Amino acid sequence: EIVLTQSPATLSLSPGERATLSCRASQSISTSLAWFQQKPGQAPRVLIYEASNRAIGIPARFSGSGSGTDFTLTISTVEPEDFAVYYCHQRSNWPRSTFGQGTKLEI
Amino acid sequence: EVQLVESGGGLVQPGESLRLSCAASGFTFSSHEMNWVRQAPGKGPEWVSYISSSGTIIHYADSVKGRFTISRDNAKNSLYLQMKSLRADDTAVYYCVATRLIDMDVWGTGTTVTVSS
Repeated sequence: EIVLTQSPATLSLSPGERATLSCRASQSISTSLAWFQQKPGQAPRVLIYEASNRAIGIPARFSGSGSGTDFTLTISTVEPEDFAVYYCHQRSNWPRSTFGQGTKLEI
Repeated sequence: EVQLVESGGGLVQPGESLRLSCAASGFTFSSHEMNWVRQAPGKGPEWVSYISSSGTIIHYADSVKGRFTISRDNAKNSLYLQMKSLRADDTAVYYCVATRLIDMDVWGTGTTVTVSS
């Protein structure tokens, strides 16, 4: 099983700051990685797919990068509505897929 | 509006069974792959099972293989998950998830399954 390790577990920032979230895969997954955002009481929603492509309706302040084993989600300027938990998700061995344990972005 | 609505969750004792349903609307259900994904309290999501658009290709996570059965009825725009021999570690919110435009881009609101004596 491919394990995804996210860091940090918690990221404390203020609105207007830049957020950098990391995800490391236990083996190379090319660019088969997505990022999801989850707010309390809601289902996850996809932000980024194939490592760097924004999903429809996702603001340009969200960007993804990386390939192989190391990936990054960047929020260029954090907005109040961005405080949530972020999960990376790999589908390299589709349809068997795994999620990371999450990074909580808090104020 | 694209929508997935799960039902069938509840409180059951270890060893019992439960059947979850997911009603799809707002898109051509029969053309899309579907998954069940669960999330235990305070944990990240966990992929549970996949079914192809026609229902001919099915996969399960090792943690549920032999106990859970996924199925779909394209005429009824519905997805199902039959769960048997339930254990405490099956306690989670279960989401019905569609791959419509990109992988896992449509999620339901979830239904809660609690396995406890």
